[in-house]
Amino acid sequence: GQNIDQPTEMTATEGAIVQINCTYQTSGFNGLFWYQQHAGEAPTFLSYNVLDGLEEKGRFSSFLSRSKGYSYLLLKELQMKDSASYLCAVMDSNYQLIWGAGTKLIIKP
Amino acid sequence: TAGITQAPTSQILAAGRSMTLRCTQDMRHNAMYWYRQDLGLGLRLIHYSNTAGTTGKGEVPDGYSVSRANTDDFPLTLASAVPSQTSVYFCASSEGSQETQYFGPGTRLLVL
Repeated sequence: GQNIDQPTEMTATEGAIVQINCTYQTSGFNGLFWYQQHAGEAPTFLSYNVLDGLEEKGRFSSFLSRSKGYSYLLLKELQMKDSASYLCAVMDSNYQLIWGAGTKLIIKP
Repeated sequence: TAGITQAPTSQILAAGRSMTLRCTQDMRHNAMYWYRQDLGLGLRLIHYSNTAGTTGKGEVPDGYSVSRANTDDFPLTLASAVPSQTSVYFCASSEGSQETQYFGPGTRLLVL
């Protein structure tokens, strides 16, 4: 079967750095996506990785290792508004997105 | 820019009744999707459409039907609602089936 694993919840301090991990086992791989979802709102796109390595976009970076079936989302200089759930999704061989259950990130002052 | 709109925002529905959730996008995207999101689970694909006039089944299609008569609209119909269909429903679209998906604001449905 297909599986995406990520921690259920993480806590971090304002101004700090946090890394959210995602491991996956899917039938085929056509890219990995990270989305942010604030409570009661829709998911919004953050990043896309299809090749190994690090993609940096402002305070957010995303890393992919296809051989290890592993990705992480790195958030720097945390702000209170970063409190949200972060969803990892993999596009499989049928070009359908397989979603993790999400990591709820709590930022404390 | 409206992007993707969904209606209604929320609804309480009696079991056995039918209902259509509406989804409209103004980005001229070819592909559209319906997901449900339940606590503790990842988003699950119900149905999708890669282009106007075609539809396909996702992971959890039973009890739901869709149509794609034109590029902009992708309604989801529950023919006879059951309590297990209580969920938050998100519509999404992408330029092509392999591209980034963008989501509507969601419809919160409670079936009693």
